[in-house]
Amino acid sequence: DTVLTQSPALAVSPGERVTISCRASESVSTGMHWYQQKPGQQPKLLIYGASNLESGVPARFSGSGSGTDFTLTIDPVEADDTATYFCQQSWNEYTFGAGTKLELK
Amino acid sequence: EVQLVESGGGLVQPGRSLKLSCAASGFTFSNYGMAWVRQAPTKGLEWVATISYDGSSTYYRDSVKGRFTISRDNAKSTLYLQMDSLRSEDTATYYCARQRALYGGYFDYWGQGVMVTVSS
Repeated sequence: DTVLTQSPALAVSPGERVTISCRASESVSTGMHWYQQKPGQQPKLLIYGASNLESGVPARFSGSGSGTDFTLTIDPVEADDTATYFCQQSWNEYTFGAGTKLELK
Repeated sequence: EVQLVESGGGLVQPGRSLKLSCAASGFTFSNYGMAWVRQAPTKGLEWVATISYDGSSTYYRDSVKGRFTISRDNAKSTLYLQMDSLRSEDTATYYCARQRALYGGYFDYWGQGVMVTVSS
């Protein structure tokens, strides 16, 4: 299985820039996607193909990377962005990272 | 508006069966692959199974192969997951998701989820 590693938690202040990382145990090319999940809700697609913004998602969200190292950036962070962010790879079946919980100070 | 509504969850004893359904609306169901993704309590997400747009191809994670069956009825715009020989480790919220094929596959719409609890 392709294992995706994310840092467990981050805390930032509104208005700041935050980067959430995801490292794959093997190359996944650009088969990396990002989701936001708020408590009690279903996941929501933010970024597909490493850097493509899903329709309707604010331009404050962006994605970058290829191969094994990927980043989701939120700039600027807003209070409503409090959530857990998951990466997902599609190069070798489908696996998800354990999620990064973003909290606002 | 795309809507996916799951049903059929509940409490079931180990070794027993359960069948989940997912009613789709707001898009041409027969044009898209579909998937089930689960999330154990306070845990991360885990892909379970995928079915192609016409039902001709199915894919499963190893831990459910031979126990779970994904299927679809395009005339009813409904996705199913038949779960047999259930184990305690299958306890999770099960999400139905629309799957897009670009970049290998990702999930662009998700249902609200249905809880499955496997316990004696």
